[in-house]
Amino acid sequence: KQEVTQIPAALSVPEGENLVLNCSFTDSAIYNLQWFRQDPGKGLTSLLLIQSSQREQTSGRLNASLDKSSGRSTLYIAASQPGDSATYLCAAPGGGSEKLVFGKGTKLTVNP
Amino acid sequence: GAGVSQSPSNKVTEKGKDVELRCDPISGHTALYWYRQSLGQGLEFLIYFQGNSAPDKSGLPSDRFSAERTGGSVSTLTIQRTQQEDSAVYLCASTTTVGQPQHFGDGTRLSIL
Repeated sequence: KQEVTQIPAALSVPEGENLVLNCSFTDSAIYNLQWFRQDPGKGLTSLLLIQSSQREQTSGRLNASLDKSSGRSTLYIAASQPGDSATYLCAAPGGGSEKLVFGKGTKLTVNP
Repeated sequence: GAGVSQSPSNKVTEKGKDVELRCDPISGHTALYWYRQSLGQGLEFLIYFQGNSAPDKSGLPSDRFSAERTGGSVSTLTIQRTQQEDSAVYLCASTTTVGQPQHFGDGTRLSIL
């Protein structure tokens, strides 16, 4: 059974800082892993989907890495901005239907 | 529309009533998922549709929960005889095919009084 853990649960940083969010998963037989952002009262916005054949995926200031052998993924945010404040969720497939199993998220606050 | 649309955005109802939640996926997306997000449990899978059939219903918490999808498009999640523990945000996601990014709606916030 897939289980996803995210560390830390919350993170507060000053504007401009580079930061790393961590995600670990128990079942490494996955095809991909997806990172999402959730703003208060809103749904999930897909940030990056990284395929198992890839080691990294980049979008703007975001970079996600995937290491299946160790069961880990990281989301790197460069030059953080107050607008990056949100909860970041990591999700890994949890079965044949590729239903997503989510971590509890990391709540990020970027202070001006 | 351009994204996944869910209605209503908020629903407040009395314990014991039935509720229907609607999801309109992105046009052409054959796979549709329902999830539930509650304070204590995080985000949990409920049911998966491929076209109009539901090959994975393993996340439905009880027989009070049911869902259908018609025309390979709109899906309805029905909760009968609602209980207070059903209070949560119900999120719908769609994707072109299994393994591609899932795109989420803004959810329906359900409150049971």
